[in-house]
Amino acid sequence: DAGVTQSPTHLIKTRGQQVTLRCSPKSGHDTVSWYQQALGQGPQFIFQYYEEEERQRGNFPDRFSGHQFPNYSSELNVNALLLGDSALYLCASSFLGSTSNTEAFFGQGTRLTVV
Amino acid sequence: AQSVTQPDIHITVSEGASLELRCNYSYGATPYLFWYVQSPGQGLQLLQKYFSGDTLVQGIKGFEAEFKRSQSSFNLRKPSVHWSDAAEYFCAVAPNSGYSTLTFGKGTMLLVSP
Repeated sequence: DAGVTQSPTHLIKTRGQQVTLRCSPKSGHDTVSWYQQALGQGPQFIFQYYEEEERQRGNFPDRFSGHQFPNYSSELNVNALLLGDSALYLCASSFLGSTSNTEAFFGQGTRLTVV
Repeated sequence: AQSVTQPDIHITVSEGASLELRCNYSYGATPYLFWYVQSPGQGLQLLQKYFSGDTLVQGIKGFEAEFKRSQSSFNLRKPSVHWSDAAEYFCAVAPNSGYSTLTFGKGTMLLVSP
């Protein structure tokens, strides 16, 4: 079991550009959540996808958007990048299904640097 | 809105000494509670989870955590710290109405001295 995999591991973008980050969930998981972790801070929830729909969203602007595919993998897109978007972006997967007693497994993250 | 407070930004412990990391939460009901550990440049690894039942829970790597409803706390403990435990530790909560989203504290950086 490869666990949660994210790509790329590191990325450097210029202010104003757009970026796409990718996540493959742990085998058997159907829910993907994205978190932003700024330097020295705890992760902050961006949004969650289940059954290819955005189910919940944190306090992030519309520049942040996402997608979930039929195979449960997910993308995070950020448009019009700002310097403040520089952070570690973490993907977490879980199995929502019919039980609530689940836990989230995190990937290693994508380090995004905006210059 | 729920919130998590980790009052200690940094803690330094001698190798072999005991450890306690503090976590307080604010939430309308008893949430699900978690401790995660993060090594530099890495993702988060789950150490502890509490959903219900016994208030003292055993986790991986020799850690345990105690839930105290009256104090809205979920403190993490280890009787003897190893140098490899040096990392950042995050406490998190999630609503107990079905798995939802995690709200994290700002983390506590653990340094282990020889």
